[in-house]
Amino acid sequence: DGGITQSPKYLFRKEGQNVTLSCEQNLNHDAMYWYRQDPGQGLRLIYYSQIVNDFQKGDIAEGYSVSREKKESFPLTVTSAQKNPTAFYLCASRVWTSGYTGELFFGEGSRLTVL
Amino acid sequence: SQQGEEDPQALSIQEGENATMNCSYKTSINNLQWYRQNSGRGLVHLILIRSNEREKHSGRLRVTLDTSKKSSSLLITASRAADTASYFCATDGGAQKLVFGQGTRLTINP
Repeated sequence: DGGITQSPKYLFRKEGQNVTLSCEQNLNHDAMYWYRQDPGQGLRLIYYSQIVNDFQKGDIAEGYSVSREKKESFPLTVTSAQKNPTAFYLCASRVWTSGYTGELFFGEGSRLTVL
Repeated sequence: SQQGEEDPQALSIQEGENATMNCSYKTSINNLQWYRQNSGRGLVHLILIRSNEREKHSGRLRVTLDTSKKSSSLLITASRAADTASYFCATDGGAQKLVFGQGTRLTINP
């Protein structure tokens, strides 16, 4: 079955540590996205990538880094510079469409807790 | 920046009743989309309405779009317990990304 796989589902981190969240898709989608969701809140865009080896900052990129070395993979690193990293992280992908943004397909999320 | 703002923030109704949620946005859009999120899960796409459309249906869902008022509504008819979830609107402002609102938490009481 095609879809987006995020791992790990739950992650605990000590302050000062970097952690990497995995996002893999087998939908052959060109564009991939990382969103952050805080309790009772909407989604805020961290980074997005439209093609391999290229990515753009979203609204809250500070303290995060990404790479896009393969079409199917878009890992997110939460660095120690991120002041309040405890949150629910969602990865999404979509078919590339020129001129508009179509439907996003989401993974099941990764919940990061800083101890 | 969060362009879409949903109203109400929370809604509780009886099973079988209709549920209406509203979304307002600030700038011009290519399209507006609605998503559902069950607790602790990822989002699921429900429906997309383009800026030149005024109404769209999908099963028990009806979406309207008023670009002059920069607003949209999602109507769920004959609600079921399984409709309990958070619902988000998302706008495509033309930058190859979606901007999500804060969401409406819908509870369907049996």
